[in-house]
Amino acid sequence: QKEVEQDPGPLSVPEGAIVSLNCTYSNSAFQYFMWYRQYSRKGPELLMYTYSSGNKEDGRFTAQVDKSSKYISLFIRDSQPSDSATYLCAMSAKGSGGSNYKLTFGKGTLLTVNP
Amino acid sequence: EAGVTQFPSHSVIEKGQTVTLRCDPISGHDNLYWYRRVMGKEIKFLLHFVKESKQDESGMPNNRFLAERTGGTYSTLKVQPAELEDSGVYFCASSRNAGTGQFFGPGTRLTVL
Repeated sequence: QKEVEQDPGPLSVPEGAIVSLNCTYSNSAFQYFMWYRQYSRKGPELLMYTYSSGNKEDGRFTAQVDKSSKYISLFIRDSQPSDSATYLCAMSAKGSGGSNYKLTFGKGTLLTVNP
Repeated sequence: EAGVTQFPSHSVIEKGQTVTLRCDPISGHDNLYWYRRVMGKEIKFLLHFVKESKQDESGMPNNRFLAERTGGTYSTLKVQPAELEDSGVYFCASSRNAGTGQFFGPGTRLTVL
């Protein structure tokens, strides 16, 4: 079983729709949860960063973490064509010595928002 | 503030040759990470520097890969000799403190023929 599972899609929605992206994980040591957006041929861009369980909102984006279910979500409200990209979830545990936070990534979900 | 930069953006080499990738982290970021994505797979961790020290190199595939960060500023990742399975996109990321979000560079696309 992979440590992080993410449905690769593709996911296609009309402009203005609410988008829900999800990841599940198996490693209960994960404490830090991130969402990255990656445009074609570009590097991953940090969108949201959360620690432990709960919700975090930033503009049209909301990240949710449910550690009891080992499930994280990213919601995009009022989606725009410019949101079309691959969305990657990533997470990390506190490493040995308390100083390594290497990221474990999902495969990414390809999202297309149609005008 | 300038982001993470990587050089070159693309590299095409023959099997058996040597390639050196460079990463310049965001100024002031002590933590520097290398990751790799091979086709069809997830982005995978290679190693982590704190300043000039290797904190974790558990993701390095084998001893053909050598990473350095002399002086704690930029880092290089050398592959010698390159093999076909080394093809992929190599990303560098940096963060100010461990445990904070990591900022990625644009990546170096390596093709080994």
